[in-house]
Amino acid sequence: QKEVEQNSGPLSVPEGAIASLNCTYSDRGSQSFFWYRQYSGKSPELIMFIYSNGDKEDGRFTAQLNKASQYVSLLIRDSQPSDSATYLCASAGSGYSTLTFGKGTMLLVSP
Amino acid sequence: DTAVSQTPKYLVTQMGNDKSIKCEQNLGHDTMYWYKQDSKKFLKIMFSYNNKELIINETVPNRFSPKSPDKAHLNLHINSLELGDSAVYFCASSLGQHNQPQHFGDGTRLSIL
Repeated sequence: QKEVEQNSGPLSVPEGAIASLNCTYSDRGSQSFFWYRQYSGKSPELIMFIYSNGDKEDGRFTAQLNKASQYVSLLIRDSQPSDSATYLCASAGSGYSTLTFGKGTMLLVSP
Repeated sequence: DTAVSQTPKYLVTQMGNDKSIKCEQNLGHDTMYWYKQDSKKFLKIMFSYNNKELIINETVPNRFSPKSPDKAHLNLHINSLELGDSAVYFCASSLGQHNQPQHFGDGTRLSIL
């Protein structure tokens, strides 16, 4: 069974710090990886996606992928209290294989 | 302006009733999904459709029946509702296959009394 594992947290960081969120996946055939942010009572919102090994940066967010270690991470620089939310990691194989979500990591950024 | 819209936002009903949730997207996507998020916040796919064709049916009880009249709409009908059906149901859409970014609707919170 395909699984995506995340530490449920909460991960607490002070405002302005770097938040590091991690995720591992079990399916070696996974090719696409996504990070979604979900505020309490709201829908998941796509933050980043990454397909290739290495880093991908978008503003304050950097996604990192290491397929050999089956590991994905999301770094949030200069964390803000508005970043406080649950971050969902997801992976998908090729074609119409299922998108599998982790259970999410709660991030708390304190002022 | 809403990209993926679901109705209703809230649904409170009694056990044994039948209810429907509607979803529409105006993003020009051709693949649509239904997800269930339970009380532990675990998000699990239920169905996916591509151009009105069922692609994925993830061991969902046959009380749940999706219908896609066209590629911009995917509705979910649930018969004989049970207490365990209480959850938030999200509709999502993407362009092309499941390994493309998906955009979610605001969710429908279903509560069974």
